[in-house]
Amino acid sequence: EIVMTQTPLSSPVTLGQPASISCRSSQSLVHSDGNTYLSWLQQRPGQPPRLLIYKISNRFSGVPDRFSGSGAGTDFTLKISRVEAEDVGVYYCMQATQFPYTFGQGTKLEIK
Amino acid sequence: DVQLVESGGGLVQPGGSLRLSCVASGFTFSIYAMNWVRQAPGKGLEWVSVITNSGGSTSYTDSVKGRFTISRDNSKNTLYLQMGSLRAEDTAVYYCAREPTGTLDHWGQGALVTVSS
Repeated sequence: EIVMTQTPLSSPVTLGQPASISCRSSQSLVHSDGNTYLSWLQQRPGQPPRLLIYKISNRFSGVPDRFSGSGAGTDFTLKISRVEAEDVGVYYCMQATQFPYTFGQGTKLEIK
Repeated sequence: DVQLVESGGGLVQPGGSLRLSCVASGFTFSIYAMNWVRQAPGKGLEWVSVITNSGGSTSYTDSVKGRFTISRDNSKNTLYLQMGSLRAEDTAVYYCAREPTGTLDHWGQGALVTVSS
């Protein structure tokens, strides 16, 4: 099983300031088809998860451009260029390269 | 609009069974793989199972193998999760999610399953 490790687990951020979350996998997420199936999801309080980023850096439909993803192999990062109040919630990285699919522990983003 | 609506959750005794359903609308259900993901109270996300678009192939997380069965009826646009030999640690909100290869792009609102005597 691929273990996904996120840091930090909690991130207090000032409104308008940037935020960054790291995700490291225990083995390479490069699939045999050449793609890297690393996604980022956001879960607002009381809501189901919502897809933000897929295949490392592709923003999903309707996701604001202040969200961006980067990385390769085993190290990945989600960045929010300027945090807004609606960004409060828990962020998860997820790998779908190999069964079982696995998630990071989650990073709680809160406003200072 | 893509919609996924889960139902069938509830309170069940340890050792009991329950079947969850997820009705899909707003897209061609039969061309997508579908997943179940669960979230225990106050905890993170845990992938449970996946079924291919045709229903010909499935996969499960180890903790539910032999107890849970994923299935689908493409004529009814419905995904199922048959859960048996339920344990307290299966208590969670169960989400169905659509998979367009390598990600989960749409999620339902979830169904709460509570296993308790």
